[in-house]
Amino acid sequence: QVQLQQWGAGLLKSSETLSLTCAVYGESFSDYYWTWIRQPPGKGLEWIGEINDSGNINYNPSLKSRVTMSVDTSKRQFSVKLSSVTAADTAVYYCARGGGRVDPWGQGTLVTVSS
Amino acid sequence: DIQMTQSPSTLSASVGDRVTITCRASQSIRSWLAWYQQKPGKAPKVLISKASSLESGVPSRFSGSGSGTDFTLTISSLQPDDFATYHCQQYNTYPWTFGQGTKVEIK
Repeated sequence: QVQLQQWGAGLLKSSETLSLTCAVYGESFSDYYWTWIRQPPGKGLEWIGEINDSGNINYNPSLKSRVTMSVDTSKRQFSVKLSSVTAADTAVYYCARGGGRVDPWGQGTLVTVSS
Repeated sequence: DIQMTQSPSTLSASVGDRVTITCRASQSIRSWLAWYQQKPGKAPKVLISKASSLESGVPSRFSGSGSGTDFTLTISSLQPDDFATYHCQQYNTYPWTFGQGTKVEIK
């Protein structure tokens, strides 16, 4: 059974870069896409993008200019960076196994952007 | 992007009620739809994938139906543990998109 554990800075200032990492434990890291999803407080879910172990990436066009995803297969980890953050990027960020339906999910990280 | 519209946004129901939530896609997504349950402060949990396939471990009172643009999630007999927010997600066309969520409250 796969489990995901994520970490990263929870408080940022406007214009800084958000950086989160997710470690995968359990089942195979290969043959899957690994995804990032965010949820602003009190709002719905937004798919940020996904990456697989070969480095193939799909980004949400709405964030593509500011997002960078990477993968470290030796550590079974994947990461996301979001540049030039603003208050609108304040959200709980989740890592998860994706490629379609999303399961399982990490515990979530609340990232707050202050001005 | 494909827009996913859920209705209602909030639903008040009692234990034992039959509950139906609707999700409509702005264009055909065939059967590439998932339903999630989310409780406060927790990550979503997948209930149903490919529109009607019940995920392992999910109670049989949950069911999904539909194809193309119109989908439903039905809870046949609402239980105390089912009070939560439900989200639909399409994974037919990038970027994957979610509905705005339906909160099921205690009546």
